Amino acid sequence: EIVLTQSPGTLSLSPGERVTLSCRASQTVSRNSLAWYQQKSGQAPRLLFYGAFGRATGTPDRFSGSGSGTDFTLTISRLEPEDFAVYYCQQYGTSPLTFGGGTKVEIK
Amino acid sequence: QVQLVESGGGVVQPGGSLRLSCSASGFTFSYYGMHWVRQAPGKGLEWVAFIQYDGNNESHADPVKGRFTVSRDNSKNTLYLQMNGLRSEDTGFYYCAKGPTSQVPLTFFDFWGQGALVTVSS
Repeated sequence: EIVLTQSPGTLSLSPGERVTLSCRASQTVSRNSLAWYQQKSGQAPRLLFYGAFGRATGTPDRFSGSGSGTDFTLTISRLEPEDFAVYYCQQYGTSPLTFGGGTKVEIK
Repeated sequence: QVQLVESGGGVVQPGGSLRLSCSASGFTFSYYGMHWVRQAPGKGLEWVAFIQYDGNNESHADPVKGRFTVSRDNSKNTLYLQMNGLRSEDTGFYYCAKGPTSQVPLTFFDFWGQGALVTVSS
């Protein structure tokens, strides 16, 4: 199965800062079939991006997805208070579907 | 708007059984493949099972294969997960999640329910 490694595990930042989250796959993700989710405390995950950079409905413009092959990135241009959460990547190019371990973005 | 509401969670002893339900509304349930995804407390996400739009094809993750069975009743707009032979490592929140297509199992999840908590403990 494809193992997704997210880094860093935790980021301590202030509102207004730029954030770059990494998701690295153990093998090439077929057709760049990679999604990003945001999960706030006590809530279900919410889809942010699919196909590496396809924006889901409702995803703010300050978020962007990029990457291909084995290396993918989620960027938040300027952190807003509502962006503090855990972010997961997920690949859907190869069975079984797998998720990364998550990156927690916390308030500094 | 799309709504997915899970029910049926609870506390069960090791080796016991439980059936989760997911009631869907706000979209044509019978058109879409559906998934179950779980999350152990304080941990990451793990895909559990998929069933295609008409119920004629399903797949399960290796850790639950032979113990869990996904099914659906399109006349009731409801997804199910029958869990038998439960183990402590099955403890966690179980989310139903909608896929964006009718029969492709390799998908992302465009909508999620709020989850049902399953606790396996003696």
